Amino acid sequence: EAAVTQSPRSKVAVTGGKVTLSCHQTNNHDYMYWYRQDTGHGLRLIHYSYVADSTEKGDIPDGYKASRPSQENFSLILELASLSQTAVYFCASRYRGLSSYEQYFGPGTRLTVL
Amino acid sequence: QQNVQQSPESLIVPEGARTSLNCTFSDSASQYFWWYRQHSGKAPKALMSIFSNGEKEEGRFTIHLNKASLHFSLHIRDSQPSDSALYLCAGIASSSFSKLVFGQGTSLSVVP
Repeated sequence: EAAVTQSPRSKVAVTGGKVTLSCHQTNNHDYMYWYRQDTGHGLRLIHYSYVADSTEKGDIPDGYKASRPSQENFSLILELASLSQTAVYFCASRYRGLSSYEQYFGPGTRLTVL
Repeated sequence: QQNVQQSPESLIVPEGARTSLNCTFSDSASQYFWWYRQHSGKAPKALMSIFSNGEKEEGRFTIHLNKASLHFSLHIRDSQPSDSALYLCAGIASSSFSKLVFGQGTSLSVVP
């Protein structure tokens, strides 16, 4: 079973503060993804990466940065946290091969911005 | 840009019922479709996928894809309380095979 871990599992941040969410995978997967989940919106893609030291914008990148320092680690950075960024954030990874697009998700980080 | 819409938003069914969840997508060139299941407070987990038109059955679960009508569905036979979860359909964006586009989800409750 593929393993994706996230830290912290929950966080309370103040408006305007900096927040870093971390993701670690031991699957030797090439792709890593950051999603946010809000009630009624399913999962929306923020940033993703297919190789270390490179990141790509997803569908809702504004207000977020991403960093992929190694194949195993992928971080999501909120430089100036805002109330609207309160959500649950999921990290996922998948193998590069075209035969399977299955993404394996971490347990999520619940972020509350006050 | 792929757009995925699910219906209904929520559903309550009795134990033992047959349940049908629906998904429509906008990109007819999209090639791969998934159903994910997410139990409350847990991570989404892949349930089933399909690449070509037709049906696929695994145990009590059947998925059906019709690219011509842009329709994708999940059917659960003999629904159980343990099936209660948020069900998310997703399709590969034809503009980028790296990305999955998810629907907003259907919340299913199976009551004993």
